[in-house]
This record gives sequence, C-alpha cells and structure tokens, in this order.
Amino acid sequence: ETGVTQTPRHLVMGMTNKKSLKCEQHLGHNAMYWYKQSAKKPLELMFVYNFKEQTENNSVPSRFSPECPNSSHLFLHLHTLQPEDSALYLCASSLSSGNTIYFGEGSWLTVV
Amino acid sequence: AQTVTQSQPEMSVQEAETVTLSCTYDTSESDYYLFWYKQPPSRQMILVIRQEAYKQQNATENRFSVNFQKAAKSFSLKISDSQLGDAAMYFCAYRSGANSKLTFGKGITLSVRP
Repeated sequence: ETGVTQTPRHLVMGMTNKKSLKCEQHLGHNAMYWYKQSAKKPLELMFVYNFKEQTENNSVPSRFSPECPNSSHLFLHLHTLQPEDSALYLCASSLSSGNTIYFGEGSWLTVV
Repeated sequence: AQTVTQSQPEMSVQEAETVTLSCTYDTSESDYYLFWYKQPPSRQMILVIRQEAYKQQNATENRFSVNFQKAAKSFSLKISDSQLGDAAMYFCAYRSGANSKLTFGKGITLSVRP
C-alpha cells in the first residue's frame, strides 16, 4: 500500500480508442505528476499539477490530455494513440513544499 | 539543465555482501535534493533514501547509505548485507529546490546471487 493508487493496472487499446488512466492519492498531497517509462529510456516527466493547476507540460503530444479535478485525483485521457506510446505510465504525488515524490504502481499501456 | 548519469547498466552482488551503485549529476544550483529509488519487477517505484544538498552528513536508512560528494557531484548508494529482495532496478534522481521536477538517471539493474 503506497498511498498512490492507479487504475487500471493494465490496458490494451486500439489506435482509434479513447480511454483514461486514473490516479488517486491518499497522502494529503497537493502536487501530482504523470511520468512515462519506456523501454531503453529514462523516466520522462509528462505533466505536473499543483493545487489542481497544471504547472508543467513537458512538450507532451495533445493525444495525451490530463485532468486534475481536485488535489487527490489525476486522470490521463488517451485518444488516437500510436504504438510507440506503449509504456508504463506512473502517477506520483508530493507536497508542493516537500521534497519527496511518492509513486503509484503504474499502468501498463499497450497500443495495438 | 540538470542531468543525472548512471554509467553502469548492470551489477551483481553475492548475498550478504556489500555493493555500491554509482551516480553523478550536473547542476549549477546550490539548493537541491538527491534520491535513490528502487523498482522491483512489480514496477512499483519505491523511495530508498534521500539526501538534502545542504546537509554534509551522508544519509543512512538501515542497510542503505549514500556517499554524497558535493564538490565532485557524486551520489553513490551502498547496500550492505545484500538480500535477495534487493534485486531490482535502481534509479538515481535529482530534484531542484526551486521546483518539483524529478530528473532520473537511466537506472542500473542489480542482481543478487544466492
């Protein structure tokens, strides 16, 4: 139990599908993040939200659309993805004033 | 921009022995934090240890300790009395004191021989 829960853990979708990844944190944090982990690449930061406001978009294609309705929930909406988007997507959270980021277990995405 | 370098892709250690994982980083900032995360086969990213740059004392968490050499921009992780459960991928990470962005190294795969 990490305090950061991601669903679904595994997702297979076609290139024309629309799906969403969900993240929920129970740690009282106010910053949330999406990271992408592909084979042979370092972890890449995608988005950062602080107090529900997006504070960083790391040049992520528009086929990835994040949503943060409150400080405890973060979504990643997926639309018209490419096979190269297949990866492990990690959600994380922290206190905005804190220095440690805590991760969820990840959502494995396969685009076919 | 900050960079984190883990030059060893793989290491192996005998159970109960000690192993050191290397990490170097590059930054022009004076206020920052360094971390080691462990990622076992389950892919859960678990915090192992953290170090504040302003602290001279090396951080220690049970069998895990770091050798933080600020001038050399080096941050190595020492695992003592290695256990089979220590087998995982280990990532070194840097976080600026000015924002919440974590920059990761490429990781190192540690195997533990019984």
